[in-house]
Amino acid sequence: AQTVTQSQPEMSVQEAETVTLSCTYDTSESNYYLFWYKQPPSRQMILVIRQEAYKQQNATENRFSVNFQKAAKSFSLKISDSQLGDTAMYFCAFRYGSEKLVFGKGMKLTVNP
Amino acid sequence: NAGVMQNPRHLVRRRGQEARLRCSPMKGHSHVYWYRQLPEEGLKFMVYLQKENIIDESGMPKERFSAEFPKEGPSILRIQQVVRGDSAAYFCASSTFTDTQYFGPGTRLTVL
Repeated sequence: AQTVTQSQPEMSVQEAETVTLSCTYDTSESNYYLFWYKQPPSRQMILVIRQEAYKQQNATENRFSVNFQKAAKSFSLKISDSQLGDTAMYFCAFRYGSEKLVFGKGMKLTVNP
Repeated sequence: NAGVMQNPRHLVRRRGQEARLRCSPMKGHSHVYWYRQLPEEGLKFMVYLQKENIIDESGMPKERFSAEFPKEGPSILRIQQVVRGDSAAYFCASSTFTDTQYFGPGTRLTVL
């Protein structure tokens, strides 16, 4: 069974700084998908970024980028130029094929002015 | 292109009543997933459906919970004889076959 681990329950960062959120996972599959979702106080689940395991290039979306280390089964999220609106819970998730998403327990990020 | 829609957004039930949660997937999406989020926890998978078929219900409690996705209309998650432990946020997500799952705003169920 696949598992996703987010070992940092909470972090805080100053506005405009860079922060990295860590995630590790365990799977025996070779082709899969990894995601970071954001859940702000509104509780809506918002996709931040997606990575296909067969792609060696790390995904980027504006201020968000990932460091995908397939051999180490590590998938960290880097947020550059942090903004107050980035304050949220962040969940790392794994998916194989069309199957369910397996989520980590989440990490609470607070961006301070 | 409307996103995933869920209703109601908030639902209050007394112990022993039934709760019906509805989910309309994004246009063009035929895969629907239900997840439950207990307070201060991550999302846990409940069930995966395609039109008129349950594909994976490994996360569904064996009793009182059921789900359907009929040929016409929204997907329904039904909880019979609710108990206080059912209080949670229930999220629906939809996707095409291997594409990203997009989430609805969730239904917050409170059992008194």
